[in-house]
Amino acid sequence: QLQLQESGPGLVKPSETLSLTCTVSGGSISSSSYYWGWIRQPPGKGLEWIGSIYYSGSTYYNPSLKSRVTISVDTSKNQFSLKLSSVTAADTAVYYCARQEAHFDYWGQGTLVTVSS
Amino acid sequence: SYVLTQPPSVSVAPGQTARITCGGNNIGSKSVHWYQQKPGQAPVLVVYDDSDRPSGIPERFSGSNSGNTATLTISRVEAGDEADYYCQVWDSSSDHPGVFGGGTKLTVL
Repeated sequence: QLQLQESGPGLVKPSETLSLTCTVSGGSISSSSYYWGWIRQPPGKGLEWIGSIYYSGSTYYNPSLKSRVTISVDTSKNQFSLKLSSVTAADTAVYYCARQEAHFDYWGQGTLVTVSS
Repeated sequence: SYVLTQPPSVSVAPGQTARITCGGNNIGSKSVHWYQQKPGQAPVLVVYDDSDRPSGIPERFSGSNSGNTATLTISRVEAGDEADYYCQVWDSSSDHPGVFGGGTKLTVL
């Protein structure tokens, strides 16, 4: 059974860079059939797609976040990562990683990241 | 960028049928996916590619998509179906490929 697990700091200071890693187990991140995505959800609000990456490194980004987002993949560790720079309180959210075709079929449990000094 | 519009809330009595809509310009030309999210939990895919169900999702969940509206239909609604529901599309040719609707809170009366 495929499992995804987010990891990273739960508290980030304003103007700093948020960094999260998603570890995939029970399957290979190098599968040619899938992208791997990041989605976030501010407290009490809806889902927002952040970006997606293929194992080869090809990426798609949400244009509203593109200037601040970098998604990378490490196939040797079966992981992919998210970096979001210059964070503000508006970036406080639960961050999810997920496996993606056109839809997102396997999700991590999510990790709450709070931006506060 | 492409916008998906959902009603904020839908209410239904147990045993009845709930219909949750997702509006978008010519959405019938796209594949629509639906997620169920209960409080404190990650979203769960309940319908993909307009009307397909992942394994383990009850047949009570079905979907349709035509024109400017996609619909998630939940038949014989149960108390356990109370949740937030989100529609989503993916268009790799767009400058904003991944889009979610704003979500609909389903209340079982």
